[in-house]
Amino acid sequence: DTGVSQNPRHKITKRGQNVTFRCDPISEHNRLYWYRQTLGQGPEFLTYFQNEAQLEKSRLLSDRFSAERPKGSFSTLEIQRTEQGDSAMYLCASSSRQGSYTEAFFGQGTRLTVV
Amino acid sequence: KQEVTQIPAALSVPEGENLVLNCSFTDSAIYNLQWFRQDPGKGLTSLLLIQSSQREQTSGRLNASLDKSSGRSTLYIAASQPGDSATYLCAVTTSGTYKYIFGTGTRLKVLA
Repeated sequence: DTGVSQNPRHKITKRGQNVTFRCDPISEHNRLYWYRQTLGQGPEFLTYFQNEAQLEKSRLLSDRFSAERPKGSFSTLEIQRTEQGDSAMYLCASSSRQGSYTEAFFGQGTRLTVV
Repeated sequence: KQEVTQIPAALSVPEGENLVLNCSFTDSAIYNLQWFRQDPGKGLTSLLLIQSSQREQTSGRLNASLDKSSGRSTLYIAASQPGDSATYLCAVTTSGTYKYIFGTGTRLKVLA
């Protein structure tokens, strides 16, 4: 098991373009999370899935953001009409409940720069 | 609304010193608390997980304690080394939701 994998690691895009990020969770994990982190801040929750169902979305997730997790496996996060304020590190995490024990594991993140 | 605060925001210590990082949360109805390490430009590495029924967890030179009633957790690092230099983040999950709420982190620098 190689852990949570995110691609691409870095993305530079022009303002107004659409971008899509991919996250592959640890294979047996049924929960998948997306977070956004800006410099000097802790990660901010965006959304999470349990299997293929999107159970919660943050108010930070504007209409330009959409996330999917088809078949409860990998997930994609798409940002439409990117703005400079979208520049951040986008982190994905996965977890699986074993009894009362739930530990989250994070990927290396995708750093987005909007120019 | 759950809020997580970490003090201090930054810390610089000489090598070999024992140190304590603090994390406080406003809603004591937590499911668990997890400490992470983050190196510059990298993702998060899980260090310790404390379930709500536990008081502490230990891993090597790290010890994390949890006091739910007072809304506090501490991460104790023994005999600090330059390789411990990183940002340390704590996160809680609150009962009824599985999302993790993070503090802003403590940026630690251990001087050789």
